[in-house]
Order: sequence, then structure tokens, then C-alpha cells
Amino acid sequence: KAGVTQTPRYLIKTRGQQVTLSCSPISGHRSVSWYQQTPGQGLQFLFEYFSETQRNKGNFPGRFSGRQFSNSRSEMNVSTLELGDSALYLCASSLAGDFVLPGANVLTFGAGSRLTVL
Amino acid sequence: AQKITQTQPGMFVQEKEAVTLDCTYDTSDPSYGLFWYKQPSSGEMIFLIYQGSYDQQNATEGRYSLNFQKARKSANLVISASQLGDSAMYFCAMRELGGGNQFYFGTGTSLTVIP
Repeated sequence: KAGVTQTPRYLIKTRGQQVTLSCSPISGHRSVSWYQQTPGQGLQFLFEYFSETQRNKGNFPGRFSGRQFSNSRSEMNVSTLELGDSALYLCASSLAGDFVLPGANVLTFGAGSRLTVL
Repeated sequence: AQKITQTQPGMFVQEKEAVTLDCTYDTSDPSYGLFWYKQPSSGEMIFLIYQGSYDQQNATEGRYSLNFQKARKSANLVISASQLGDSAMYFCAMRELGGGNQFYFGTGTSLTVIP
């Protein structure tokens, strides 16, 4: 079956612009999470959506937002881009947030969207 | 305090040898899961192995095994019979039952397999 698909794979923006990244989860996966990966900070949790609702949010400013559609596809948006937003943005999907089923919360990641802010 | 600590920024191993990548974790939640992911230079994170906090036996998946020492709060990854394709970044991660579906990741270990 198809994996997690992220688009675009690469993009270059300038400071002050905004960007929207898209993520299509594995069919049947209802939870979609977003992570920011930078060399200095590693992988940091942005937010998680389940059934169109944001369930968890990491410690990022309000410029970072997201949403999930009824087909579980998710988008994240970053407004007023800063140089420090340059990173690899990883999307991950999982079956559910049900901790009772270990296999249900294994994250499957997409290839990422590499954002460069100039 | 860091939730996940990986103290080895870089490791080298000879092809066909075994290697252990260290991971310690910090949680007060009695229910949690520990995961290892591999990230090749392409960037995609690949799930390797999972260990639940209540699992009595160490997890194994092919050449990967997880040395789970609960009292010491360590979850080391052991790769047996290293292959050149194992060269990558390796991340240890944890999810707590009380933490929703948020995963905490370590800073990673870069493994290089030498022919």
C-alpha cells in the first residue's frame, strides 16, 4: 500500500512569506503528526491531528498552524517565515492514538519537505 | 530534563560485526513505548523496532534487537552482522501513555559501517 506522501519535497521561500505543506497519510491511518527537524534541535514535535481535531501541540509559536481534512490528509502552514524556520518538516501517520494496541501507534513517516528560507 | 538521551553522536563498526547504540530515557509514566528509527541520507525515517514498558522480553526484529533494562531506564539498540546499508542516523524515541500521541526523539547517533 502507498506510504505517507508529502508535497512539495523541496521549496525555497524568503523571509516574511508563508508556506503550506501537505501530507497524505497511509490509507486507514487517522492520526497525522508533524515534526520539525534541524541539525541543532533534532526532531521537535509540532502538532498532531486525529479525526480533524488537533489533539496535541508542541512548543512552537502561533505562526505554525495545521489542519486535517475529513479524508485524513493534513496541511501545515507557516506564516511570516523566519530564517530559523529552515528545516526538514516530517509528517507521520499512525492508525490511532490507542496505546493499548502497540502496533497502532507506530509512526510511519513521509520523506519530508525541505524548506529553505532566504 | 531530556526525555531521551543518546550520548553517542557518531559510531563506527566493521562490516559483519555487531554494534550497540545507547539510549536512556526519563519518564514517570508507568506506561510507555520505546521506538528506534533509522534515517538514511535520503531523509525518510524508517521504523525498526518497538518495546512496550510492560513487555517482559526484549524485542527483536531480524538483525535488530532492543536491550531493555527498565530499572536503568535504558533501551539500547543492537544491530548484529552490520551491513554497509546500515550506515545512517539512528533515533531513539518514546511515547508516554499520558502524552497523547506525541513522540520524544533523541538527538540521534550517526552510524558508519566500514567495509
